[in-house]
Amino acid sequence: ETGVTQTPRHLVMGMTNKKSLKCEQHLGHNAMYWYKQSAKKPLELMFVYNFKEQTENNSVPSRFSPECPNSSHLFLHLHTLQPEDSALYLCASSQDRVGTEAFFGQGTRLTVV
Amino acid sequence: DAKTTQPPSMDCAEGRAANLPCNHSTISGNEYVYWYRQIHSQGPQYIIHGLKNNETNEMASLIITEDRKSSTLILPHATLRDTAVYYCIVGRTGNQFYFGTGTSLTVIP
Repeated sequence: ETGVTQTPRHLVMGMTNKKSLKCEQHLGHNAMYWYKQSAKKPLELMFVYNFKEQTENNSVPSRFSPECPNSSHLFLHLHTLQPEDSALYLCASSQDRVGTEAFFGQGTRLTVV
Repeated sequence: DAKTTQPPSMDCAEGRAANLPCNHSTISGNEYVYWYRQIHSQGPQYIIHGLKNNETNEMASLIITEDRKSSTLILPHATLRDTAVYYCIVGRTGNQFYFGTGTSLTVIP
């Protein structure tokens, strides 16, 4: 248990659906982020939030929409996804300070049909 | 962030020490070396990190060379549960991690 909780753990959605992934941390961290891990590929950093402000968007398509209402919660809103978006989506959090480690949730396994 | 180079795979006998190498020859002075591992389909697990000095915790030891261009993660007594992909990452903060392909460690009974 890392202190970072993601829900749901598994999600199957159609290409016309709208769904949201949720991430919650109670570690007192002020930075949160989303990663994507496709099959047999390295983790890809998608979005970074520091103190609720988005500071990084690594050329992610607009069908992925992040939301950070407070320092403890992070959402990833999904709409009109493609089958190639099927992947493990991981949330992480850390302090925004040099030399600090990040803690990851267990991820949401997303399948787009 | 500096890039890292790791062997794609390694084997280790159960109960023996597992020594996982990492090259990071372009590391800058304020970048830390972090190690994570990922067991199949789970979130990455933080193991250890350091800047210049060697570090040890309940999971592992981290040996960083004096010129900081390479490091070694040591699991002192590998168990079957240590079978995982191990990632060596260099970075300044805890929220700008760029993962490579890591080393797939298999612990053999």
